[in-house]
Formats: sequence, structure tokens, C-alpha cells
Amino acid sequence: DSGVTQTPKHLITATGQRVTLRCSPRSGDLSVYWYQQSLDQGLQFLIQYYNGEERAKGNILERFSAQQFPDLHSELNLSSLELGDSALYFCASSPGGWGSTDTQYFGPGTRLTVL
Amino acid sequence: AQTVTQSQPEMSVQEAETVTLSCTYDTSESDYYLFWYKQPPSRQMILVIRQEAYKQQNATENRFSVNFQKAAKSFSLKISDSQLGDAAMYFCAYRSGQGAQKLVFGQGTRLTINP
Repeated sequence: DSGVTQTPKHLITATGQRVTLRCSPRSGDLSVYWYQQSLDQGLQFLIQYYNGEERAKGNILERFSAQQFPDLHSELNLSSLELGDSALYFCASSPGGWGSTDTQYFGPGTRLTVL
Repeated sequence: AQTVTQSQPEMSVQEAETVTLSCTYDTSESDYYLFWYKQPPSRQMILVIRQEAYKQQNATENRFSVNFQKAAKSFSLKISDSQLGDAAMYFCAYRSGQGAQKLVFGQGTRLTINP
């Protein structure tokens, strides 16, 4: 158990819908990262937040957004869902921010299926 | 942009034997970190081992060790005394030592352990 929690574990929804994935980092970690794992694209970095602020952006679609709240939990919002958005979404956390040498520890992931 | 390549989509090994998984990467940076993550059927991403580029000594964690060849940009993982529980997807990952801490992953190698 990494100490990172993600809910829900599974999510099944229809095209065009909107969903929210939730992540709670390890105790004391200020950085949260979101990754997408799909058959087509492999594991890809989406976005990083550090202590409530966006710090880095990867291949995140405009239909996707994220935020980190004062209690440090983070949410990834996916809207206007398409079949291709079906994937495993991971959250990871680490203690530090920009330039930190910390290792990232991953949550168990949320499997999203878009029908 | 940095890239990570795992040229072996699948590997298999007899239980108790040794296996080596290959990884190469491309970067112009001198300060970076390399990781091996394991993804068992549960889909959890588990850190196996970490290597700092500035360290000449190869990292070791119990039965897991790496062969880090900085000039060749090679970072292989050796698993000794393979056990059934080692069966998983293994991902090699790169992270810059400065700035954004996103992980760049390879495509993965599926390791099968034959009893």
C-alpha cells in the first residue's frame, strides 16, 4: 500500500458525459501528479499540482481539467467523454515541488470505461 | 524531449533463474533520475528501484539490481532468483533532475515466470 488513495476504483459511463476522479496523496506530500494509461498511448503524464498550484502540464486534453484543494486532495475532471478516453487513470504523489528529487508513489488507479 | 525505449515487449524466465530487462533512453540533460516500476495484474504501479544519474554505483534492492551505463544511455534491470510473484509488466521511467518532475515511461516489458 503506497498511501495514495483513489476513488472510485471503477467508473462506467457514456459518451458525452462528465466524470470526476479523486485522489488523496500520502500524508505530508504536497505534489500530486495525474497519469493516463491506455493501450494506444501507454503511460502518459497529464498534469502536476504542488500545494494547490498547477506546476506542469503534459498531454492533457482541453476537455480535461484538474485542481488541488487546500487539504491537498486532487480531482481530475473529464468532460465530453469519448470512447478513446477509456483508460486507467493514476494519481501519484511526492513530498516536494519544482526541482525536487523525490520519488513518486502511485495510487491504485481508477479504471474509466466509456461506452 | 526525452524518450524511453524498452525493446523487449515480452520476456520469460524459469523460476529461480536470472533475467535482465533492457531499457534505453535519450536525453541531453546531465542531471536526471531513472526508475523501474512494476505493474502486477492488480494494475498497481510499484516502485522497484531508483538510480541517480550522478551516482556511478549501480543501485541494488535485494534481488533487483540495475546496470546503469550513462554514456550508452542504457539502464537494464536484473532480477535474480526469479519468483512467481515477479510476474508483471515492468516499466522503465525517466525524470529530469531539474524543473518539472514528470515521469516519462517506456512501453513496458511483460515478464512471465515459468514454474
